[in-house]
Amino acid sequence: AQTVTQSQPEMSVQEAETVTLSCTYDTSENNYYLFWYKQPPSRQMILVIRQEAYKQQNATENRFSVNFQKAAKSFSLKISDSQLGDTAMYFCAFMKRRNNDMRFGAGTRLTVKP
Amino acid sequence: DAGVIQSPRHEVTEMGQEVTLRCKPISGHDYLFWYRQTMMRGLELLIYFNNNVPIDDSGMPEDRFSAKMPNASFSTLKIQPSEPRDSAVYFCASSFSIETQYFGPGTRLLVL
Repeated sequence: AQTVTQSQPEMSVQEAETVTLSCTYDTSENNYYLFWYKQPPSRQMILVIRQEAYKQQNATENRFSVNFQKAAKSFSLKISDSQLGDTAMYFCAFMKRRNNDMRFGAGTRLTVKP
Repeated sequence: DAGVIQSPRHEVTEMGQEVTLRCKPISGHDYLFWYRQTMMRGLELLIYFNNNVPIDDSGMPEDRFSAKMPNASFSTLKIQPSEPRDSAVYFCASSFSIETQYFGPGTRLLVL
């Protein structure tokens, strides 16, 4: 079974600073997707960024970027120039390419302080 | 474009009552998912459909839960009878093929 581990239950960062959220996963699959979703207090699940395992280049989306280390099974999220609106729960997720079974980590609660 | 639509957004009911949650996926998406989120268990996949056909319902907790997708634009998740331990946020999500899943706003269910 695939497992996703987020070892940081809570983190905080000052506005405009950079923060990195950690995620590791365990799988025997070679082809898969990795995702970071954001869940603000509204509880809406919002896609932040996606990485395909066969792509070596790390995905970026504006202020969000990932550090994907396939051999180490690590997938961290870096948020640059943190904004108050980034305050949310962040979930790391893994999905096999051969089906739609997506597994989520327990989440990291990020607080951006003014 | 409209995202995934769920109704109701909040539901409060009494133990033993039937609860029906509704979902309209994004037009053109051929996969639909139902998830449950609780503090204790996090986000769990309950069931998913491909082209209106249930593919994997191994996450459905027990026979009190059932899900249907009568057409490409509508799905229901029913709990009958409901119990207090069913209180959670229920999300519907959809995707095109085996790709990124887009979530609806969720239904917060409270069973008293």
